[in-house]
Amino acid sequence: DAGVTQSPTHLIKTRGQQVTLRCSPKSGHDTVSWYQQALGQGPQFIFQYYEEEERQRGNFPDRFSGHQFPNYSSELNVNALLLGDSALYLCASTRTSGGGPGGTQYFGPGTRLLVL
Amino acid sequence: GNSVTQMEGPVTLSEEAFLTINCTYTATGYPSLFWYVQYPGEGLQLLLKATKADDKGSNKGFEATYRKETTSFHLEKGSVQVSDSAVYFCALSDWGRFSWGKLQFGAGTQVVVTP
Repeated sequence: DAGVTQSPTHLIKTRGQQVTLRCSPKSGHDTVSWYQQALGQGPQFIFQYYEEEERQRGNFPDRFSGHQFPNYSSELNVNALLLGDSALYLCASTRTSGGGPGGTQYFGPGTRLLVL
Repeated sequence: GNSVTQMEGPVTLSEEAFLTINCTYTATGYPSLFWYVQYPGEGLQLLLKATKADDKGSNKGFEATYRKETTSFHLEKGSVQVSDSAVYFCALSDWGRFSWGKLQFGAGTQVVVTP
């Protein structure tokens, strides 16, 4: 049973560029959340997708956008990259249908983005 | 709003020592509580969880008890190994129309176990 997978593993971009990160959820999961983890800090919630719509959003600017596909996989897009966007981007999946309090999120290995 | 506070690291221990990492939380509802572990260069792995007051989560020798009266979820292990060296994150999640289970994390505590 494959866990959560993310691609690419590493990425180097320059300021002002745009980037797309990809995530495939764990089998049977229908909900994908994205988190940003800056060096030495805890992950911060970016947004969550369910039924191909953004269900909840954290305190991130509109430069951060996403998409969920019918097969539940998801993309995170960041436009007009800033140096401060350098971080580990983590994808987590869970199952909402029949879920509820205590639903566990499983994380992928992350994509490390460096903005120069 | 909800928040998580955990003790700062690094925590340096000798092998077979007792480990405690303190975690306290602030929440308006009745959150679920989690400990995640992150090994160097990797993503987060769920270590244990508790979904209601007085629940005890346990896994791989680690334990934590959900204490509502002290709003705490301290992580303990009786005898650590070098392989336990990692960063440990305490987290909470709420479930409701405005939360949908998003995780809020503490800043993380680095644990270094020496032989």
